Amino acid sequence: DTGVSQDPRHKITKRGQNVTFRCDPISEHNRLYWYRQTLGQGPEFLTYFQNEAQLEKSRLLSDRFSAERPKGSFSTLEIQRTEQGDSAMYLCASSLTGTGDGYTFGSGTRLTVV
Amino acid sequence: AQSVTQLDSHVSVSEGTPVLLRCNYSSSYSPSLFWYVQHPNKGLQLLLKYTSAATLVKGINGFEAEFKKSETSFHLTKPSAHMSDAAEYFCVVSDGTRGGKLIFGQGTELSVKP
Repeated sequence: DTGVSQDPRHKITKRGQNVTFRCDPISEHNRLYWYRQTLGQGPEFLTYFQNEAQLEKSRLLSDRFSAERPKGSFSTLEIQRTEQGDSAMYLCASSLTGTGDGYTFGSGTRLTVV
Repeated sequence: AQSVTQLDSHVSVSEGTPVLLRCNYSSSYSPSLFWYVQHPNKGLQLLLKYTSAATLVKGINGFEAEFKKSETSFHLTKPSAHMSDAAEYFCVVSDGTRGGKLIFGQGTELSVKP
């Protein structure tokens, strides 16, 4: 296993369009997290899954955002009706034990909304 | 609530000189603390973690950090900087919940001069 993979690496979209990102975690990891990082800031938590169950969502995750993890494997993050404020790096991470163990992060998907 | 404060947004050192990146934390319990590094266009990489074992934690690439409860600090050090150390460094605390969310500091950009 080569780590956490995210696709695409870059996405440029027009305001109002929908976008979907994919994350493939390390295969034996049961937890999967999405974070968002804006320029000059540290990443901020969006949501996480344990297996296929979405257990927590941040208040940052507006109704335009939805995440899924069917079958507890890969995950998708969809943003509907994109806004310029959605421009950011979207990071995915996975872990086996959660607290105290650190995560393995993917390289991220950089979204630019024009 | 748990939080971390990175005291310097930018640190510049000469190659071969010591590195000190400062981090203070706030936590209502014994925290799990981490340092992550982010190279340009790369994912976040775990440097080291503290989980209430030894207070002096050794990480990868010659980095280490010391947990000081009395000072609520977790500073990152390296005896001798290398050009390849130039990157963004994040001090991170686990929020202590079942989900193991990570709370990131604002980041410190390390520059290494030849």
